[in-house]
Amino acid sequence: GENVEQHPSTLSVQEGDSAVIKCTYSDSASNYFPWYKQELGKRPQLIIDIRSNVGEKKDQRIAVTLNKTAKHFSLHITETQPEDSAVYFCAASRGSSASKIIFGSGTRLSIRP
Amino acid sequence: EAQVTQNPRYLITVTGKKLTVTCSQNMNHEYMSWYRQDPGLGLRQIYYSMNVEVTDKGDVPEGYKVSRKEKRNFPLILESPSPNQTSLYFCASMPGTAQNQPQHFGDGTRLSIL
Repeated sequence: GENVEQHPSTLSVQEGDSAVIKCTYSDSASNYFPWYKQELGKRPQLIIDIRSNVGEKKDQRIAVTLNKTAKHFSLHITETQPEDSAVYFCAASRGSSASKIIFGSGTRLSIRP
Repeated sequence: EAQVTQNPRYLITVTGKKLTVTCSQNMNHEYMSWYRQDPGLGLRQIYYSMNVEVTDKGDVPEGYKVSRKEKRNFPLILESPSPNQTSLYFCASMPGTAQNQPQHFGDGTRLSIL
């Protein structure tokens, strides 16, 4: 069945440095790729999403890149801050009503002061 | 305020004692879904509903039931809970059924089955 692999499972970076989280999906018909951030004890919240008609999307310090040929997409966080510490989930879906959204297993990002 | 509300937030109970986790959304969303979150496994879908009286199985439906009698409510029922259902549960909703929109999550329900 469809699968989304996410790496790394944990990531620790120095405050101010960049963080990159990578996801690979198996269903070549996937065309919607959201990223969710889950702070400790809180609900997942969408931080950015990308559709397959674009290769990159940016929102301030956050960017997502998509390589449809290789079936992988990545989250980039620049100038990391303590409040970026959280668990991040990627996901993929075909975008239709008949499809399902599949989540990656999550990356715990820690920002060292 | 637009939100998805789950109750209870925390529950400790014993094997075999039926329980219901309620989920309500005030955004008139068509699509609602239940997930469980376990360490290292991410979010796995239990059941989902495209609209009133329309429900379908997700990836891990065994041991769970749902109903969608009204658009705003989507309760999760554990008829005979077992310890392997100890987990963190999230309800979520979306405006439509197309799987290319952000999902709005509730605050989660932490269930412990002894």
